[in-house]
Amino acid sequence: EAGVTQSPTHLIKTRGQQATLRCSPISGHTSVYWYQQALGLGLQFLLWYDEGEERNRGNFPPRFSGRQFPNYSSELNVNALELEDSALYLCASSFFGRGPSEAFFGQGTRLTVV
Amino acid sequence: GIQVEQSPPDLILQEGANSTLRCNFSDSVNNLQWFHQNPWGQLINLFYIPSGTKQNGRLSATTVATERYSLLYISSSQTTDSGVYFCAALYSGGGADGLTFGKGTHLIIQP
Repeated sequence: EAGVTQSPTHLIKTRGQQATLRCSPISGHTSVYWYQQALGLGLQFLLWYDEGEERNRGNFPPRFSGRQFPNYSSELNVNALELEDSALYLCASSFFGRGPSEAFFGQGTRLTVV
Repeated sequence: GIQVEQSPPDLILQEGANSTLRCNFSDSVNNLQWFHQNPWGQLINLFYIPSGTKQNGRLSATTVATERYSLLYISSSQTTDSGVYFCAALYSGGGADGLTFGKGTHLIIQP
């Protein structure tokens, strides 16, 4: 069974550009979470999608946005990139249903803004 | 939101030693997970343990939900155990914030 897959693995963008990161959850999982991990720091919660809807977002500016598609895959978009957006972006999936289940993470997308 | 604190922040041990990592959380949880982050950044699932005790080889974990803490035990450490260990909790009052992570314990196992 395939795990959570993220693409691309690495992404280099120029300040001011837009970046799009993608995540495919484990088959059967309906929830997708996005996290940002800046170098040497912990994981900060960005966004949570479940059943196609945004359930909550962390303390990030509106230029961080995303969506979840009918097949439960998800996109994270970062507009007007700033140097401090350089980080490892991790996606996780789980089945929510009547309550949360174990979450599994993808390998991450390393975004570098120059 | 829920607060998750891990201790110690850094731990240096010799190969073969045993270690205990602690995770304290500020409120009731219905999901508690331990992860090992490898050098390439991927989070590897170690335990899904909202309560009770589980063992997997040289690793075991215990969560005492009523006292709001979890422990990860590593026995007979190997150099490949080196890395950052994260604890993450999901507040039982609602999953709106997703898993909240502690800052991690950076474990170095020396040969």
